[in-house]
Order: sequence, then C-alpha cells, then structure tokens
Amino acid sequence: EAQVTQNPRYLITVTGKKLTVTCSQNMNHEYMSWYRQDPGLGLRQIYYSMNVEVTDKGDVPEGYKVSRKEKRNFPLILESPSPNQTSLYFCASSPEIAKNIQYFGAGTRLSVL
Amino acid sequence: DAKTTQPNSMESNEEEPVHLPCNHSTISGTDYIHWYRQLPSQGPEYVIHGLTSNVNNRMASLAIAEDRKSSTLILHRATLRDAAVYYCILRDVDTGGFKTIFGAGTRLFVKA
Repeated sequence: EAQVTQNPRYLITVTGKKLTVTCSQNMNHEYMSWYRQDPGLGLRQIYYSMNVEVTDKGDVPEGYKVSRKEKRNFPLILESPSPNQTSLYFCASSPEIAKNIQYFGAGTRLSVL
Repeated sequence: DAKTTQPNSMESNEEEPVHLPCNHSTISGTDYIHWYRQLPSQGPEYVIHGLTSNVNNRMASLAIAEDRKSSTLILHRATLRDAAVYYCILRDVDTGGFKTIFGAGTRLFVKA
C-alpha cells in the first residue's frame, strides 16, 4: 500500500531534549516536505526536499533541521525543542513537483513542556 | 507566492450540492490551482487541481473563472463524510512549486 509513515504519532518531551520525528514514503517520490499546523494558522511549511541531499527552507524553519540521505526518508530534527514548537506536524511527499499532488502522513502531535 | 482567500466556514445540507469559493487575484499564468481537504484527526488529502479549464474527477469538480482570479470547488452531493476543512492553494510550475502556502481554509459543516 502506498503511504507516508510518520513516527511517533504522539510525543511529549521537555524543553531542550533533542528529538527526531521520522518520515518515510514507499512511492519513490522525489519531493518531500514538513509542515506544522497550529490553531488559526493553518499549515505552514517548515522545510522541503527536492531530492537526495537537496533541501531548502520553507516559511517557518527556525528551530528545525532536516536531512535527506535516502530518497524514502526525510527526518525532522529538533535539536533543542522549546514550548513554542508544540504543534501538529505533517510530512508529505509528491511524485511530480509541478503538479504537486502531495500525499500526507497521519501526523505527529508534539508537546514540549 | 500568490495568496488565496476563502470563507472561514460554510454549511450545507446532506445530499445537496456545495460550492466552495476561492479568490486568487494575484495568480500568475503558470500557477496551478489545487484543492486539498482535511478530515478530522487526519492529514490533508488531495481533492482536485487545474490550470485553466474546468476539471472533474470522482471526488469533485473544479470550476475556474475565465480570468483565473477565482475558482470554485463543487461537491455535487454533500455527505456527512464531506465535513472537513477545504484548502485552496496555488502552485507555480515554473519554480517547480517547491514552496507550499496553505491558507486557513474553509470549514464545511454538513447537516443531516
């Protein structure tokens, strides 16, 4: 089954404790992206990747890192999480950038205390 | 990036058609118009997209104004399962559409 898989689905952590949210897709998509969703603000793009070893900032990249060492994986790294990073995170992938039909994961709900 | 404007919420009766509007007055000639929806507790899912001509698929229809400054997503017969937040976004073909900007979307309520 074609899918985008995020782990974990729920995470509670404390300020400053490094964490990684994993994202994997099995559709051989070149394009992958991370979003955060906050009440009243909709979805905002954090980082995206056009292919292996090619990444770029979205609209809200501060406090986040990403890597794309393999085509199927695009982990989101929070080196020193802060409470303002408490949010719902979505990973997405796309087969054709121009047409941008993105497939989204189920989401990761992160709480930073 | 071009912006889109949508009403915050709309209401429909079950089995009736729903027309969800989107304004995108700053659209460029190469921007595709995309619609996604987000059901409660799920990630967004693709609904439909188009460039200039009206489009139909199994989920919905997309009507694009002649000047392309607005579009309308049409659900032909709303069901309770269509209650969701609907997002209209623009993607630029020339730049590869790398950045994606979602607005706040329209929350659709469907009454039985």
